[in-house]
Amino acid sequence: AQKVTQAQTEISVVEKEDVTLDCVYETRDTTYYLFWYKQPPSGELVFLIRRNSFDEQNEISGRYSWNFQKSTSSFNFTITASQVVDSAVYFCALSEADNAGNMLTFGGGTRLMVKP
Amino acid sequence: DADVTQTPRNRITKTGKRIMLECSQTKGHDRMYWYRQDPGLGLRLIYYSFDVKDINKGEISDGYSVSRQAQAKFSLSLESAIPNQTALYFCATSDLPREDYNEQFFGPGTRLTVL
Repeated sequence: AQKVTQAQTEISVVEKEDVTLDCVYETRDTTYYLFWYKQPPSGELVFLIRRNSFDEQNEISGRYSWNFQKSTSSFNFTITASQVVDSAVYFCALSEADNAGNMLTFGGGTRLMVKP
Repeated sequence: DADVTQTPRNRITKTGKRIMLECSQTKGHDRMYWYRQDPGLGLRLIYYSFDVKDINKGEISDGYSVSRQAQAKFSLSLESAIPNQTALYFCATSDLPREDYNEQFFGPGTRLTVL
């Protein structure tokens, strides 16, 4: 069975600090997909990134970067020079390739509070 | 206009009432999903549908039912609402799988409170 764990339920930082959100996953599949979503206070889900299990290259997009390590089953998300607008709940999610329905399994989320 | 819409956006109701949450999409996708979000638990799948004639239970279907009225419409019903069904509900859609993963597109969510 697939499982996603986000051990940090809440993180509070001061603006301009770097912050890393942890995500650890469990799956028996060799082919799977990992995701990060952002949920701002307005409530909608904003897609940030998708990574497939065969691509372990780290990715950087502006102030955001993702570190995928299959050896530790982790897909961590780092925000550099955090800003108040980064305050949100962040979800990590997993979908196994043999999951015919494309279903997503979500972690419990990490609430990030960035203080000015 | 949004590709995936949900109505209502907010609803307060009382224990025992029947409630229907509606989802419509203009993306032409065959697959539709209903999730609920609870603090600390992330999103959990309630029901999903591959087409109008194909409905499947998800992880937490007890207390819920669904109807796929058309390719574009997927409704979630609470026959007799109870307070622990207070949550944020999301509808999502996706296309048929091709060579790679098919992304799910989420609606804006419906916040339901059962008193």
